Amino acid sequence: RKEVEQDPGPFNVPEGATVAFNCTYSNSASQSFFWYRQDCRKEPKLLMSVYSSGNEDGRFTAQLNRASQYISLLIRDSKLSDSATYLCVVNTGGKLIFGQGTELSVKP
Amino acid sequence: EPEVTQTPSHQVTQMGQEVILRCVPISNHLYFYWYRQILGQKVEFLVSFYNNEISEKSEIFDDQFSVERPDGSNFTLKIRSTKLEDSAMYFCASLPSGQGLDQPQHFGDGTRLSIL
Repeated sequence: RKEVEQDPGPFNVPEGATVAFNCTYSNSASQSFFWYRQDCRKEPKLLMSVYSSGNEDGRFTAQLNRASQYISLLIRDSKLSDSATYLCVVNTGGKLIFGQGTELSVKP
Repeated sequence: EPEVTQTPSHQVTQMGQEVILRCVPISNHLYFYWYRQILGQKVEFLVSFYNNEISEKSEIFDDQFSVERPDGSNFTLKIRSTKLEDSAMYFCASLPSGQGLDQPQHFGDGTRLSIL
């Protein structure tokens, strides 16, 4: 089983759509969880940390279920500028383990 | 907002040559990391560094790789004898001390290494 596994994508959605990304991780000892965003050939940029209580940042909502080792990201009212690859990232012992990413393309 | 900076942005090197990638972490950060991303693949952990020594390294980080903090600001990754498969984006990241290793890491904008 892959350490961090994401929806394969790509997701092609119209502006204004709601889109959900799913991620699972294999190491139950993982300590912290994040969604990063990566634009083509650029560095990963932190989108948000993910907590068991769920957290929201504007149009973005992230959720963690430790029991099922599942992480999600919901983007509401998607914008053209949301087009990017979304990386599910798990911190295990201080090092970051990345999923392969899910590409999102938002069309006018 | 303070940034992690990396130089050069693009390095082209002949196979078998040595290459040094440079990173200037955020000034009060004390944990340093290198990651790489082969084109079309996921970001992979290479090595973590704290208190002037390697904390952890991955299987990728073999004897051809080394890291160093030669002065108070730079953090370098050296590849002694480059191979074609070393072609990738290399990202440096850092963390401040005192906030826990579970905090999000700050990434530099990367060096694209092309081995010919």
